[in-house]
Amino acid sequence: DTAVSQTPKYLVTQMGNDKSIKCEQNLGHDTMYWYKQDSKKFLKIMFSYNNKELIINETVPNRFSPKSPDKAHLNLHINSLELGDSAVYFCASSHQYGNSKNIQYFGAGTRLSVL
Amino acid sequence: GESVGLHLPTLSVQEGDNSIINCAYSNSASDYFIWYKQESGKGPQFIIDIRSNMDKRQGQRVTVLLNKTVKHLSLQIAATQPGDSAVYFCAENDNDYKLSFGAGTTVTVRA
Repeated sequence: DTAVSQTPKYLVTQMGNDKSIKCEQNLGHDTMYWYKQDSKKFLKIMFSYNNKELIINETVPNRFSPKSPDKAHLNLHINSLELGDSAVYFCASSHQYGNSKNIQYFGAGTRLSVL
Repeated sequence: GESVGLHLPTLSVQEGDNSIINCAYSNSASDYFIWYKQESGKGPQFIIDIRSNMDKRQGQRVTVLLNKTVKHLSLQIAATQPGDSAVYFCAENDNDYKLSFGAGTTVTVRA
């Protein structure tokens, strides 16, 4: 079973559309994250939720809205998609106590292409 | 093979040789560091971590060295294999939740 799974794996859409990416983790973690990886492989944190509460909100356009219905899910909705939103988006999760401080486990990524 | 200096984006290494990937981190308050491996088309995969109260930690074929004086981290891979070809990232823990990632080093193993 995949520990952190995100869907879809590929997403091709037109500028101006609204799209969602879903993420689920079955690791029992209490914290989930969204990252954006650009064409140069640079990984940048976008959002993080701990126990369904937003704890990290980096400088991201408000067209991006995360939603965490429960601890095991963190979805990302993007409104009015722009060409610059094309990237690979990674979901991750972690456990925030014990010796495993902040090892984040990543999903396989969603490659978003905006045409 | 070794990526010297602060950071080199690519490293080419002969199969069977040892690899050394270097990383400079920015925050002297960071107390936890992780190395990740990202293969083509996949997400980053945890390799090894180290806390700031240690200067060396060993795993299976990998060793991480931490020099807090100069804020430098390195990952050594022994007897590099073709399956080690990937992008390697160092990450520092700024606080309990936030990891900041380095730029990544692409390792290519020559047969």
